[in-house]
Amino acid sequence: GAVVSQHPSRVICKSGTSVKIECRSLDFQATTMFWYRQFPKKSLMLMATSNEGSKATYEQGVEKDKFLINHASLTLSTLTVTSAHPEDSSFYICSARSQREDIDTQYFGPGTRLTVL
Amino acid sequence: AQSVTQLDSQVPVFEEAPVELRCNYSSSVSVYLFWYVQYPNQGLQLLLKYLSGSTLVKGINGFEAEFNKSQTSFHLRKPSVHISDTAEYFCAVFYNDMRFGAGTRLTVKP
Repeated sequence: GAVVSQHPSRVICKSGTSVKIECRSLDFQATTMFWYRQFPKKSLMLMATSNEGSKATYEQGVEKDKFLINHASLTLSTLTVTSAHPEDSSFYICSARSQREDIDTQYFGPGTRLTVL
Repeated sequence: AQSVTQLDSQVPVFEEAPVELRCNYSSSVSVYLFWYVQYPNQGLQLLLKYLSGSTLVKGINGFEAEFNKSQTSFHLRKPSVHISDTAEYFCAVFYNDMRFGAGTRLTVKP
């Protein structure tokens, strides 16, 4: 199946700094990418949907100025957590979809564990 | 809006025993239903999905699930589990986007 990578897999940062997480589709062109946040013992929460070359669509309650999403190419999307605080600590997962596949088909990255001290 | 409830957060079971992971969904429109598995330090992998047609869906690794519209359920089953099935399992519903349940941690003990 298609492969999606995330980098870094783990990151620890100080409060107030910004952190960038990369999501790459390795063997296909991802016209749409999704960013999820997973809290302990809770479900994956969709944060935003991004289409290549256009602005991301954020879910209700997600601060677009805090979670900056860029989808500049068909194989790369980035999530930047700006001025991170301890409450931003979480597991962030991206997924990608190709326009060649059914709309319900998504390939998931392995996730990034963010810890803000 | 669509939502998914996974009724069990943890399911311990002995090896070679049968297992059922429960999932109920809520939706006012027809949706697609999915089960994903997440092994440690890996991304979610699709186990199976229901789009339409036969209500019994067979997936990878010997798993199957049955769509029950009247009970709004999509329970996942396996007749005999292996140690390697130990993982987190997520039920999901898709309409315009994917919505996940809270997950069920399946632990298979020898």
